Amino acid sequence: GAVVSQHPSWVICKSGTSVKIECRSLDFQATTMFWYRQFPKQSLMLMATSNEGSKATYEQGVEKDKFLINHASLTLSTLTVTSAHPEDSSFYICSARAVEGNQPQHFGDGTRLSIL
Amino acid sequence: GQNIDQPTEMTATEGAIVQINCTYQTSGFNGLFWYQQHAGEAPTFLSYNVLDGLEEKGRFSSFLSRSKGYSYLLLKELQMKDSASYLCAVDRPFKAAGNKLTFGGGTRVLVKP
Repeated sequence: GAVVSQHPSWVICKSGTSVKIECRSLDFQATTMFWYRQFPKQSLMLMATSNEGSKATYEQGVEKDKFLINHASLTLSTLTVTSAHPEDSSFYICSARAVEGNQPQHFGDGTRLSIL
Repeated sequence: GQNIDQPTEMTATEGAIVQINCTYQTSGFNGLFWYQQHAGEAPTFLSYNVLDGLEEKGRFSSFLSRSKGYSYLLLKELQMKDSASYLCAVDRPFKAAGNKLTFGGGTRVLVKP
C-alpha cells in the first residue's frame, strides 16, 4: 500500500488562484520531505526540501514567495502555489523518507495542476 | 555541478533483456537509486545500491561501481508493462538532515511485441 499520500490528485482552476497541495507520510515519521515538479517528457526537478519545524530550503531559481512550504508536523508538508498562472501548470510530486537507515524516498501519487 | 547521464530512449522486444546505463559525477555519494515511472504517474522504487556489485530482485537487477561512477539497471524477460521511464538518482548528503536525491534525465524504454 501507499506509504506517502498526496492530495489532491488533480486541480483545475483559474489564473490568480492559490492552490494548496498536501503530502503525508503514512507509516513513518519524516523530518524531511521533498517537492518536485515535472514537465511533460522531462525528469523530476527538485524545487525545495521541506524541513519539519524550520524553513524550507529552495533550489536555485525557485521563488520561495511563489511556492510556500509548510512542514508543521513529522507526517505532513504542504506546498501552496500562490497566485498561480498558466506557466505554473505542471505535475507536482512530493516524496518523504524515513529517518532510520538507508531507506528509499517514497513518492506520493502526484498532483496535476492545470491553470486556465 | 552535478552530472548524471543516462540514455534518453531505448527500444527492446518483449521477452528480451535491456540494460540501462547511468554514469554520475556528484559532490558526495551515499548510494544510487533506480525508480520506474509510467506516464502520468509518480515514480516507484526499484532498487538501491550502496556497495559495489550486483543486486538482484526478480526480473530486475542493478549494478554499481563507485570507483567508476557507474551503475546499470538490467531488465530481463521484458514484458509490455515494462514500457516506462527509468530514473537513475544519486543519494547525496544534505546539510539540514539526511540525504537528498539528484535525478538523471530518465530513460524511456519502449517494449515492442
